[in-house]
Amino acid sequence: GQSLEQPSEVTAVEGAIVQINCTYQTSGFYGLSWYQQHDGGAPTFLSYNALDGLEETGRFSSFLSRSDSYGYLLLQELQMKDSASYFCDRYNQGGKLIFGQGTELSVKP
Amino acid sequence: GAVVSQHPSRVICKSGTSVKIECRSLDFQATTMFWYRQFPKQSLMLMATSNEGSKATYEQGVEKDKFLINHASLTLSTLTVTSAHPEDSSFYICSAREARDYEQYFGPGTRLTVT
Repeated sequence: GQSLEQPSEVTAVEGAIVQINCTYQTSGFYGLSWYQQHDGGAPTFLSYNALDGLEETGRFSSFLSRSDSYGYLLLQELQMKDSASYFCDRYNQGGKLIFGQGTELSVKP
Repeated sequence: GAVVSQHPSRVICKSGTSVKIECRSLDFQATTMFWYRQFPKQSLMLMATSNEGSKATYEQGVEKDKFLINHASLTLSTLTVTSAHPEDSSFYICSAREARDYEQYFGPGTRLTVT
């Protein structure tokens, strides 16, 4: 199978750190990507992990463990504007991107 | 750089008519373009993959005769929803990718309402 699992919603306060976990099935897996989507908008790219380890980009970091079929997105110093849906997505052969069901993050003051 | 546009942003049409949605890569050549559909509060569902100059590859369950995809140039792909029905009302989003690049650049989406 090619499905991904991530929590449906997460709530956190401004300034906090939040981790969104994602597990996936390994069939045809090439890499794990994370996208952010604000309500009514287009998804925007956050990160891509093809190899094990941590990738850091500013306040956002993404981690992948291929042996555990697991990854996560770490958001630090949360801001109100980070309230959005976050999708973990898998890259398959041919560059197809299969979206997870998304995690709705609500940042409270 | 890496901007993808879609036109129109919103369209309302009557049941039984056809609607064409355009997806353009404005500042790069997109060897591959993808079409997604998203219902409210749901994830993006990949409909089809199109490569310039060749027929689109449709995902399982997507009717190729209903959703016609043309990728005539390296900067333009079109999706035509034929004989639209109210259940086709959705948010349609395209994305584009350069050769040997993993990142997909998404268009702003087209909200289709069929009455």
